[in-house]
Amino acid sequence: DTGVSQNPRHKITKRGQNVTFRCDPISEHNRLYWYRQTLGQGPEFLTYFQNEAQLEKSRLLSDRFSAERPKGSFSTLEIQRTEQGDSAMYLCASSTLRAGSSYNEQFFGPGTRLTVL
Amino acid sequence: RKEVEQDPGPFNVPEGATVAFNCTYSNSASQSFFWYRQDCRKEPKLLMSVYSSGNEDGRFTAQLNRASQYISLLIRDSKLSDSATYLCVVNQAGTALIFGKGTTLSVSS
Repeated sequence: DTGVSQNPRHKITKRGQNVTFRCDPISEHNRLYWYRQTLGQGPEFLTYFQNEAQLEKSRLLSDRFSAERPKGSFSTLEIQRTEQGDSAMYLCASSTLRAGSSYNEQFFGPGTRLTVL
Repeated sequence: RKEVEQDPGPFNVPEGATVAFNCTYSNSASQSFFWYRQDCRKEPKLLMSVYSSGNEDGRFTAQLNRASQYISLLIRDSKLSDSATYLCVVNQAGTALIFGKGTTLSVSS
């Protein structure tokens, strides 16, 4: 399978615990995005990387959220001191950057569903 | 005001019906426009891009009106397999996708 993969697919944790999610993008894609989707809402943009550089993070929901992409390949999203309101689907997407193109299709992974008890 | 607004529905239609979804966006600097489809508990997938001239892909027709900041999707001859949530999406500067809440369509036999 050469699509975007995310692990784990499901995570149940207790309030106050830290959680980390992993995303492996499509191999030739240099852009990677994180989104959050709560029930009944569309996905909400959190942050994105171009290669290893995090180019936009102002939409991260709080300072408890952080993301890394240390070698420009896979990425991790960490949530510290989880709260019940963090329960959601966390989606990763990837795309290529082509010169002269204003948009390149973002391909989404299956998501990690987080439940905070 | 939300950046992208859609009627959440649900739209319940019989097979063969024609159904139209509408969407408005608030940021006039938006550059690219799309409809994504999301099946229950699955990831969103690109259905089609939307161009100012209007574009068609089989039974699906998308329209964009930049002056009124309005996007539409028309589905003709609805199939059971069209049942899903349809997400209106805009893109600014080629980075973040901004999604509407989605419109739920249920096609019944």
